Amino acid sequence: DGGITQSPKYLFRKEGQNVTLSCEQNLNHDAMYWYRQDPGQGLRLIYYSQIVNDFQKGDIAEGYSVSREKKESFPLTVTSAQTNPTAFYLCASSRRELGNGQFFGPGTRLTVL
Amino acid sequence: EDKVVQSPLSLVVHEGDTVTLNCSYEVTNFRSLLWYKQEKKAPTFLFMLTSSGIEKKSGRLSSILDKKELFSILNITATQTGDSAVYLCAVHLINYGGSQGNLIFGKGTKLSVKP
Repeated sequence: DGGITQSPKYLFRKEGQNVTLSCEQNLNHDAMYWYRQDPGQGLRLIYYSQIVNDFQKGDIAEGYSVSREKKESFPLTVTSAQTNPTAFYLCASSRRELGNGQFFGPGTRLTVL
Repeated sequence: EDKVVQSPLSLVVHEGDTVTLNCSYEVTNFRSLLWYKQEKKAPTFLFMLTSSGIEKKSGRLSSILDKKELFSILNITATQTGDSAVYLCAVHLINYGGSQGNLIFGKGTKLSVKP
């Protein structure tokens, strides 16, 4: 079945540690995105990538890093420089023209202890 | 600064009611407006609107865009408990140079449908 997966579902991290969130899609989509969602807030864009080996910062990229070495994969690293990382992280993918909107993964809930 | 504002932030109705959710926007380089439904985890795509005045319809849901007044509405008729969710509106921008830009999301409208 085609889809987009994220792992892990829940992640706990100690302050000062870097963690990497996985996002994989087998929809053959060119574009992939990372969003952060806080309670009562909409989705805020962290990074997006329209093509392999290229990505752009979104509105809240500070303290995060990404890579896009393969079309199917767009991992997000939350670094220790991110001052308030506890949140729900959503990955999405889409065709370049966004005709059918974005397909979202199930999300990863990150909690910093 | 580009922004997308949804109203109301929350809404409680009874089954069978009709609801209208609002999304207004102030952005540069508008490309399209999208509606999503988020129940528990991942948002699911509902509609994409690019032209004014053309209604998109799917079952009991419909949506229309007004590019002159810079807003869109999402209508749900004969609501059911399964319609309870957060409805997200997003505006897709064009980057300078014409390449695909990012999406700006509103905070969402939380709809609760009581039996």
